[in-house]
Amino acid sequence: AQTVTQSQPEMSVQEAETVTLSCTYDTSESDYYLFWYKQPPSRQMILVIRQEAYKQQNATENRFSVNFQKAAKSFSLKISDSQLGDAAMYFCAYRSKTSGTYKYIFGTGTRLKVLA
Amino acid sequence: DTEVTQTPKHLVMGMTNKKSLKCEQHMGHRAMYWYKQKAKKPPELMFVYSYEKLSINESVPSRFSPECPNSSLLNLHLHALQPEDSALYLCASSSRTSGFYEQYFGPGTRLTVT
Repeated sequence: AQTVTQSQPEMSVQEAETVTLSCTYDTSESDYYLFWYKQPPSRQMILVIRQEAYKQQNATENRFSVNFQKAAKSFSLKISDSQLGDAAMYFCAYRSKTSGTYKYIFGTGTRLKVLA
Repeated sequence: DTEVTQTPKHLVMGMTNKKSLKCEQHMGHRAMYWYKQKAKKPPELMFVYSYEKLSINESVPSRFSPECPNSSLLNLHLHALQPEDSALYLCASSSRTSGFYEQYFGPGTRLTVT
């Protein structure tokens, strides 16, 4: 069975600085999807960034980028130029590519605080 | 339109009540999900519907009864709930877009059982 681990329950970053959130996972599969989701307080969960395992190139979405290390089974999220609106719970998630598999495996989350 | 809507936003119900949560999406997604989320915890999967058929039931108590009337709608019928069932109930849908099975979440229904 696949597992996802987020070892940082809480992180803080100064506004305009850079922060990296860690995620490791365990799987025996060779191809899969990885996601970072953001859930602001009392607000909707939204997709931040995604990565397909067979693609070596790290995904980037504006100020958000990932460091995908497939051999190490690591998928960290880097937020550059942090803004107050980045304060949220961040969940790392894994999804198998096996046909008919619909389940997403979520990590326990990292609460990010942005300090003004 | 990448939107999943849920009604109601808030629900307070007694342990003997019967109520329903509703979820709707018009993105043509063929997989729809119900999750339960406690504060500061990740979402816990409850049910998955694929092409309007129940694909996954994560051993959820029978006081929760899902229904998928059509490809756009998902309901969760609630009956004889317990106080520990108080949580945020999230609906989500997913489809294969540009090679990714992206999952889109609704805003949730905050349920309080008294």
